[in-house]
Amino acid sequence: EVQLVESGGGLVQPGRSLRLSCAASGFTFDDYAMHWVRQAPGKGLEWVSGISWNSGSIGYADSVKGRFTISRDNAKNSLYLQMNSLRAEDTALYYCAKDIRTGGNSFGAFDIWGQGTMVTVSS
Amino acid sequence: EIVLTQSPGTLSLSPGERATLSCRASQSVSSSYLAWYQQKPGQAPRLLIYGASSRATGIPDRFSGSGSGTDFTLTISRLEPEDFAVYYCQQYGSSVTFGPGTKVDIK
Repeated sequence: EVQLVESGGGLVQPGRSLRLSCAASGFTFDDYAMHWVRQAPGKGLEWVSGISWNSGSIGYADSVKGRFTISRDNAKNSLYLQMNSLRAEDTALYYCAKDIRTGGNSFGAFDIWGQGTMVTVSS
Repeated sequence: EIVLTQSPGTLSLSPGERATLSCRASQSVSSSYLAWYQQKPGQAPRLLIYGASSRATGIPDRFSGSGSGTDFTLTISRLEPEDFAVYYCQQYGSSVTFGPGTKVDIK
């Protein structure tokens, strides 16, 4: 079964850091780009960041550029999001999502999603 | 950044009716790199359509996508009870952005 399981969320004070993880199973992880998408409570979807299969192409939303860093470990079938200088507006459910395309350095649609991990930034 | 606008914000229909959802981009979406997702309360989004008109695996044929350039449409030919949800469009031709969503609720 194809599965993505996020972890690492929690309550954190403004200005602090948090690292999210996403464990992938049921597919050849290193064939696909991966993404983080977030959803603030009661709001819509916001793409946060994406990384190609070989980490050769990385993109960020303007709202997180310079504060968040995406990475992956293909040997561990894992995706990560290092979040620094957290703000109240970063409060959201963070989803890990698999890209539909194999290989290449551009992004496609997202065909598999995890259930998300909640990040709350508050003092 | 390509900004996506979805209309209407809310669509109130009855089961069996046809739903037509619109997604408009602030600039042309290259190669029709446009997708549609369905999200129900408490669930992760589900991919319905990619490449503007290709149905994802397991998606019923009552869902169809069309359009190119800056104007795209998701059509649900006959609404089933399980289709009442929020629908998002997404472009992935120039970075990635999502539209604000259209809620389809029961009239």
